[in-house]
Amino acid sequence: DVVMTQSPLSLPVTLGQPASISCRSSQSLVYSDGNTYLNWFQQRPGHSPRRLIYNVSNRDSGVPDRFSGSGSGTDFTLKISRVEAEDVGVYYCMQGTHWPPFTFGQGTKLEIK
Amino acid sequence: EVQLVESGGGLVQPGESLRLSCAASGFTFSNSWMSWVRQAPGKGLEWVAIIKQEPIETYYVDSVKGRFTISRDNAKSSLYLQMNSLRAEDTAVYYCARHMNGIDYWGQGTLVTVSS
Repeated sequence: DVVMTQSPLSLPVTLGQPASISCRSSQSLVYSDGNTYLNWFQQRPGHSPRRLIYNVSNRDSGVPDRFSGSGSGTDFTLKISRVEAEDVGVYYCMQGTHWPPFTFGQGTKLEIK
Repeated sequence: EVQLVESGGGLVQPGESLRLSCAASGFTFSNSWMSWVRQAPGKGLEWVAIIKQEPIETYYVDSVKGRFTISRDNAKSSLYLQMNSLRAEDTAVYYCARHMNGIDYWGQGTLVTVSS
């Protein structure tokens, strides 16, 4: 199974400051069709997960442009350019290249300092 | 608007069974791959099972193989998860989820508690 490792697991950030979350996979996530199936999700307290990014860097509809995804192969990053209060929650990466099973990172808890 | 509404969760004893349902709307259900994903209290996300559209194929995480069965009724736009021989470690919120370039939509979840 592909192991997804996120860091940090806890991320205190000052409002208006940038934030960055790393996600590393135990093997390359490039699929035979050339795509890389790496998603980022946000889960606000008491809510279901919401997808922010698909295929490494594509923002979902309605996601603010302060969120961006980057990376390749086994190394991926989610960046928030300026953290707002509504960004509090847990962020997960997920790989959909080598399945079953689909695998998630452990989650990164973002909080406001 | 895509909507996924789960139901069927509850409190059961170890060894008992439960059937979860997910009612889908706002998209062509019959064309979509669908999954169940669970989240134990205070823990992270764990993918449980997936079902493709015709021809039907199903896959499971190792920990539920032989105990859980995922199925679908395209005429009713519904997804199901039959859970047998439930264990305490199956306690979680179970989410129904649609696949499109990974998982794009999630339901609100239904809580399954396995306890004596």
